Amino acid sequence: DTAVSQTPKYLVTQMGNDKSIKCEQNLGHDTMYWYKQDSKKFLKIMFSYNNKELIINETVPNRFSPKSPDKAHLNLHINSLELGDSAVYFCASSRGPGEAFFGQGTRLTVV
Amino acid sequence: GEDVEQSLFLSVREGDSSVINCTYTDSSSTYLYWYKQEPGAGLQLLTYIFSNMDMKQDQRLTVLLNKKDKHLSLRIADTQTGDSAIYFCAESIDQGGKLIFGQGTELSVKP
Repeated sequence: DTAVSQTPKYLVTQMGNDKSIKCEQNLGHDTMYWYKQDSKKFLKIMFSYNNKELIINETVPNRFSPKSPDKAHLNLHINSLELGDSAVYFCASSRGPGEAFFGQGTRLTVV
Repeated sequence: GEDVEQSLFLSVREGDSSVINCTYTDSSSTYLYWYKQEPGAGLQLLTYIFSNMDMKQDQRLTVLLNKKDKHLSLRIADTQTGDSAIYFCAESIDQGGKLIFGQGTELSVKP
């Protein structure tokens, strides 16, 4: 049973396109996150949702829009993709402030 | 400010102990974590320590926390080739569970 699952695992797309990454957790956690890992492996938080409510938006361009239809799902929609958006995007969840469990990541390549 | 620093590389021989070090700046950290990332994979939570503890041991892993110096270390006893990965130190400063990550230490284990 996968605790935090993301789809797709790989995404290759052209500049200017709009794409979505989906995330689901079956841990019953209230808090979900999106993190971005760049080519130097540096990880930085993008968004955090608690019970479908946005609580952290870490100065991410507004081309990125998270959506949480229920507390088990947090999707990430990206408009007008740019070359610099190429990265690995990780979804995570936690019971609250504390240990976070991560998905396997979505490697986004913008060409 | 929020900053977590790690050295980038560590190389050890199989069977030796590995010590990965981390320093952080935010004294309001509540929890400190160690995550492991194998190539092409997500982040696996290895262990964590609450900020009022000095030490935590979990099988081959020992975490030491020096809160005065804001220094965290992870010792892996009897390091195996399967331990080769990138190890991330992270702190939680209780703003909705946000994690601040270090740059990651790439551990290379030679037979």
